[in-house]
Amino acid sequence: DTEVTQTPKHLVMGMTNKKSLKCEQHMGHRAMYWYKQKAKKPPELMFVYSYEKLSINESVPSRFSPECPNSSLLNLHLHALQPEDSALYLCASSPPGQIQFFGPGTRLTVL
Amino acid sequence: DAKTTQPNSMESNEEEPVHLPCNHSTISGTDYIHWYRQLPSQGPEYVIHGLTSNVNNRMASLAIAEDRKSSTLILHRATLRDAAVYYCILRGGAGSYQLTFGKGTKLSVIP
Repeated sequence: DTEVTQTPKHLVMGMTNKKSLKCEQHMGHRAMYWYKQKAKKPPELMFVYSYEKLSINESVPSRFSPECPNSSLLNLHLHALQPEDSALYLCASSPPGQIQFFGPGTRLTVL
Repeated sequence: DAKTTQPNSMESNEEEPVHLPCNHSTISGTDYIHWYRQLPSQGPEYVIHGLTSNVNNRMASLAIAEDRKSSTLILHRATLRDAAVYYCILRGGAGSYQLTFGKGTKLSVIP
């Protein structure tokens, strides 16, 4: 299985809602990543987990809360988002420091 | 991170070779040159990477200048499926997690 899956594919939420994005991989990769991609822009790194521990946080606002409950799963908890947070959220995984495999992304709209 | 410069867009005829250039004049001795591409409505996918020598794989070839200040991704026969945004990324040596995407080159393939 060489796939990174992300759910849901699309999400619409209000500014007061709490929601979560989910990412899963079964390639045995011990590094997992969250990226944010605005329309017509390149992906920007948000968080890196290595061996289930948060190793990089690119100064992301606290309304985004990552969680890595085990080596196959990565969540991104969302709370009190702003309309400007609307974007494609991409998950990736890799052996630590190696080539990254990306999921198809979750397209988030904040109303 | 050292920066890369790519043309905003390029066009190619189907079944013809495509040469996608990338300048990286501030590359350090330990930086690897990575190429990823992002097809419409998909996450990025790895294409190829190299350090000093030219590299070939089933998807493409990577030609690296002798001074390493530039590189060229070569698609030997463009197909419609190759229409994508191609990102040239410099990545530190072993253990480096970050992929810093530049603006990339949007490749259009004309039937």
